[in-house]
Amino acid sequence: DIQLTQSPSFLSASVGDRVTITCRASQGISSYLAWYQQKPGKAPKLLIYAASTLQSGVPSRFSGSGSGTEFTLTISSLQPEDFATYYCQQLNSYLSITFGQGTRLEIK
Amino acid sequence: EVQLVQSGAEVKKPGESLKISCKGSGYSFTSYWIGWVRQMPGKGLEWMGIIYPGDSDTRYSPSFQGQVTISADKSISTAYLQWSSLKASDTAMYYCARPDGNDYGDLYFQHWGQGTLVTVSS
Repeated sequence: DIQLTQSPSFLSASVGDRVTITCRASQGISSYLAWYQQKPGKAPKLLIYAASTLQSGVPSRFSGSGSGTEFTLTISSLQPEDFATYYCQQLNSYLSITFGQGTRLEIK
Repeated sequence: EVQLVQSGAEVKKPGESLKISCKGSGYSFTSYWIGWVRQMPGKGLEWMGIIYPGDSDTRYSPSFQGQVTISADKSISTAYLQWSSLKASDTAMYYCARPDGNDYGDLYFQHWGQGTLVTVSS
């Protein structure tokens, strides 16, 4: 199984900050990576797919990059509604899907 | 509008069986994969498995193979997740989710159900 490791696991930041979350895959996954946002008591929401494609309706302050084994999610200027937990997800050609362990983003 | 509506919360005892559901609407149910995701209390997301209702092709995460059964009934546009003998460790929120794509490399979950909370306690 391909493992995904997110860093950091916890991040404290202020409104207006630029933040970056990293997701590392245990083996190369090309660009088959997505990022989700989850708020307490809610289902996850897809933000980015195919490593860098912004899902329709998601604000442009969110961006994704990377390929192979290292990927990043960047929020260019944190807004109050962005404080949540973020997960990366990979998929491969054998329909094996895994999620990272999550990064909790809290207000400083 | 694509909608996935899941069945309501369940409280069960260890050893009991359970089948929860996810009803799709607003799209051709047989044309898209539906996946299941577990979230234990205070923990992260875990992919359990996925089914293609058109031909019932089903894949499981190795962690859940043999522990649960995923199925679908095309006639009523509903996918299911079932257990034959629940354990306390099955206590979790369970989500169904549907991607917009159909290719293996396009299975990102754009649409999610509201979740079904399963509590297993003696």
